[in-house]
Amino acid sequence: EDQVTQSPEALRLQEGESSSLNCSYTVSGLRGLFWYRQDPGKGPEFLFTLYSAGEEKEKERLKATLTKKESFLHITAPKPEDSATYLCAVQANNDMRFGAGTRLTVKP
Amino acid sequence: DAGITQSPRHKVTETGTPVTLRCHQTENHRYMYWYRQDPGHGLRLIHYSYGVKDTDKGEVSDGYSVSRSKTEDFLLTLESATSSQTSVYFCAISKDSLGTYEQYFGPGTRLTVT
Repeated sequence: EDQVTQSPEALRLQEGESSSLNCSYTVSGLRGLFWYRQDPGKGPEFLFTLYSAGEEKEKERLKATLTKKESFLHITAPKPEDSATYLCAVQANNDMRFGAGTRLTVKP
Repeated sequence: DAGITQSPRHKVTETGTPVTLRCHQTENHRYMYWYRQDPGHGLRLIHYSYGVKDTDKGEVSDGYSVSRSKTEDFLLTLESATSSQTSVYFCAISKDSLGTYEQYFGPGTRLTVT
């Protein structure tokens, strides 16, 4: 069965303290891996799509990378406004599966 | 902003009553989706539509039905609400086939079944 696991469940960082979030997956026939940001009380906001191992995408302080079994969302020198829940999703065939998310808190 | 609105934004209903949630988009995208989000489970696909009157089931479709009579509207109906259907419901659209392009989400509907 297709599975998507995100770790850690929660992460607390000091402002400027870089770290990485992990998304591991077991799917057959990966067609795309997606990262979203979700603020409390709002819908997920699209960040990145990765299609093949070795691919990287960057946006401001965020960089997403992809291997054959996992993806990382690297956050460089985070700011308090980066606090949110980050969701990973994988699409295989006609099914989209989401992970449970990592709740990131960045303290000033 | 993908031009997606959901109504109502909040609803409290009693067990056994029918409930319909509406998703409206302004950009005529072909694909529309309904998800539910529960703590510890992430987002789970309920139903999706790939055109007017064309719908299919997702991972957790039991107890839900959908209809799409116009490109811009996708309705989710709980025929007889149960407490297990208390959740936050999100509508999403994508520009092309499922997952090939990123999905854009509405603001959500918080449904409480008492």
